[in-house]
Amino acid sequence: DTAVSQTPKYLVTQMGNDKSIKCEQNLGHDTMYWYKQDSKKFLKIMFSYNNKELIINETVPNRFSPKSPDKAHLNLHINSLELGDSAVYFCASSQDGVDYEQYFGPGTRLTVT
Amino acid sequence: GEDVEQSLFLSVREGDSSVINCTYTDSSSTYLYWYKQEPGAGLQLLTYIFSNMDMKQDQRLTVLLNKKDKHLSLRIADTQTGDSAIYFCALGRAGNNRKLIWGLGTSLAVNP
Repeated sequence: DTAVSQTPKYLVTQMGNDKSIKCEQNLGHDTMYWYKQDSKKFLKIMFSYNNKELIINETVPNRFSPKSPDKAHLNLHINSLELGDSAVYFCASSQDGVDYEQYFGPGTRLTVT
Repeated sequence: GEDVEQSLFLSVREGDSSVINCTYTDSSSTYLYWYKQEPGAGLQLLTYIFSNMDMKQDQRLTVLLNKKDKHLSLRIADTQTGDSAIYFCALGRAGNNRKLIWGLGTSLAVNP
């Protein structure tokens, strides 16, 4: 059983295109996240949603727009892709409570040419 | 501000112990995590420690927390080639919108 799944796993596209990455979690968690991991493996939080409400919005270009249709899904749409957007994007989820353990998806490797 | 530091690389021989270190600035952290990322995979929680603990042992893993020095370490005993991965230190605290503060990750290479 996959806990946090992402599609697609790989995405190769040209500059200027618009693309979406989808994430689903079947853990019943209340909070979902998007992270960007660059080529040096540095991990950076982008967004977080709690019960479909945006609670974290780090300094991310407006070209990135997250959407949470329900608390089990958090999608990431990227407009006008740039070379610098090439990275691995991870979705994660966590349950409200006393700890903050996050469960990660397998990642989506985005390559912009 | 919040800051978490880790050395970027560590190389050990198979069978030796590995010690991965993490220092942080935010003393109000409640939970301190170690995540492991194998090549081409997502991050997996390896172990964690509460801020009211000094040590936690879990099979080959030992986590030590020195709150005075704001220093967290992960010791892996009898390191195996399968332990080669990137290890991330992450800190969580109440009132931070469930946001974890992440270190940059330590890449552990285990040589046969």
